[in-house]
Amino acid sequence: SQQGEEDPQALSIQEGENATMNCSYKTSINNLQWYRQNSGRGLVHLILIRSNEREKHSGRLRVTLDTSKKSSSLLITASRAADTASYFCATDEENNDMRFGAGTRLTVKP
Amino acid sequence: NAGVMQNPRHLVRRRGQEARLRCSPMKGHSHVYWYRQLPEEGLKFMVYLQKENIIDESGMPKERFSAEFPKEGPSILRIQQVVRGDSAAYFCASSLTGTGGQPQHFGDGTRLSIL
Repeated sequence: SQQGEEDPQALSIQEGENATMNCSYKTSINNLQWYRQNSGRGLVHLILIRSNEREKHSGRLRVTLDTSKKSSSLLITASRAADTASYFCATDEENNDMRFGAGTRLTVKP
Repeated sequence: NAGVMQNPRHLVRRRGQEARLRCSPMKGHSHVYWYRQLPEEGLKFMVYLQKENIIDESGMPKERFSAEFPKEGPSILRIQQVVRGDSAAYFCASSLTGTGGQPQHFGDGTRLSIL
């Protein structure tokens, strides 16, 4: 069963703008991860945030986690054309399996 | 190349044939996961294996699908008597440990097409 659900399904922005993607989930989690997938390729791990963390940064990426609302957001600042990809959140479950959402397809126009 | 290797990248089969998908995890990783992805969709978990053991196969159809991760060699996802609905991209990932909070490292997938 799917756990994380990303919103929006698709997002189109101009280069230089910020992109915000959201993820909601249903059950309690230990960790939440964000991945990127370029067309025709496998997923690449971006960032992991633990349930006791509220915010985490990595370069131009900022992830927040609100366990009371069971939601997370991924912010990409100063977007570039190379950021064009699908972005997925993944939540772990009690048996440590990960469940992925359907993803947000981000298009950054040069 | 120290990454996760999947082969073949593309596989074409006729209905009723068998498909074998191979995955070599990253060096030192003993935990392997298989996922299935349909176009424009997310990844659906299929099976989680540790060397010689199936830990969780709750996402794998009970019939026609099987997976193994032998002591030596790659992990294999096997689909018998393939049908058109099996057409998809199949991704393998590996992790260092099976505990939560470990990033998974993905291969570039096998795209299976059923004629």
